[in-house]
Formats: sequence, C-alpha cells, structure tokens
Amino acid sequence: GQSLEQPSEVTAVEGAIVQINCTYQTSGFYGLSWYQQHDGGAPTFLSYNALDGLEETGRFSSFLSRSDSYGYLLLQELQMKDSASYFCAVSWGGSTLGRLYFGRGTQLTVWP
Amino acid sequence: NAGVTQTPKFQVLKTGQSMTLQCAQDMNHNSMYWYRQDPGMGLRLIYYSASEGTTDKGEVPNGYNVSRLNKREFSLRLESAAPSQTSVYFCASAATENTGELFFGEGSRLTVL
Repeated sequence: GQSLEQPSEVTAVEGAIVQINCTYQTSGFYGLSWYQQHDGGAPTFLSYNALDGLEETGRFSSFLSRSDSYGYLLLQELQMKDSASYFCAVSWGGSTLGRLYFGRGTQLTVWP
Repeated sequence: NAGVTQTPKFQVLKTGQSMTLQCAQDMNHNSMYWYRQDPGMGLRLIYYSASEGTTDKGEVPNGYNVSRLNKREFSLRLESAAPSQTSVYFCASAATENTGELFFGEGSRLTVL
C-alpha cells in the first residue's frame, strides 16, 4: 500500500516564501510529483523528482530525500494567483510513469 | 490544442441508473487514468491503462468498469449508480517517457440522487 501526508492548510502573505512538506510510505517508490489545482479546475503539473536533491523551475522548487521518504515544494515570491491546492503524488513506474497516487492536498491561501 | 477531452461535463443521475464517462486524448499517449476527487480526499485512482488493451485497478475500483477502446479513448462506466459515487471525475494521460507528469481533462461533475 501507500500513504502520503501533507498539511491540510498553509497561509502566507504576498512576496513571502512557503514550504509544503510531503512524507510518504510506499513500496516500489519511483518518483515524487507536485500538482497545482485552482478551485473547480483541472490539476496541473508543477515538478517531478526521481533523484535526491532540488529541482528549480522559476519561482517553484521541489526537493526529494529518498532515504527520508520526504519531499517538499518551495514557493518563492508568492503572488495572489498562487492561492490554490497543492498535491504531492508518488509514482510506482519506471521508464513509464505507471500508477500515480495523490496526497489529500494542501490549501494555500496568499494574503495581500 | 485539445489535449484531454472529457464528456459530459455535468450529469445528474438517479440511484440505479447507468452511464458512461468518455475520455479522449490527442497527444499519442500510451497511459490513461481515471480519478475521482471528493472534498478533503484528494484524487483517488479508480483505474489505470498502461496501453491499448490493458487495464488495471487502482485504489477505488468497486462499482466501476473501464474500456480502453483504442489508444486515444478510455471510458469509465457506472453500471448502477449510487449516491456514494457523487464526485468529480478526472481523466488523465501520460507520455511514454516518465516525466512524472499527467495531463488532466477538465473534469466531469456527477451527482447521483
């Protein structure tokens, strides 16, 4: 089986930095993905880590530690439009993605 | 750029009725997925298809059937709808190369009375 834990809510002000943590327990872990979802919309892909370390994509960065079964999403220079739900997801795949299992999501609210 | 297209976008059913959610992708992806999303529960995998002609159960397959009609299309069928199946359903697809990325459709909002 698999389980993922992430905080249910995080709040921050515009311009700040926020970190959303994700811990997982899963057999056959291959990689950790992050997705963003605005109210009523489709989830959209943000980043993916299959190896330990930090991946940076613009204002967003994602980190993975396989030995600690832990990862995080770092959002810098927060903007109002970053208010959304953020999901971590673990994959069992290999050369192909395979099954992808999602956490329950973290609701980020950015205040002016 | 159609991407992943789901139909219908909204549907209301009575308990015991059947229906099929349709999904099609135009990105030549091998893998396709059906998820359901309920408040506070995140996205839960119903069924997964690694390629045309293959399907596998996910976390919550009970009450559902799927068909991978061809490489483009992956349908989800509710044979006898129950109120517990009221949810938002998302179809997704993934490229052959593992980039950790799923491409989602806009969702189908189903209410079972």
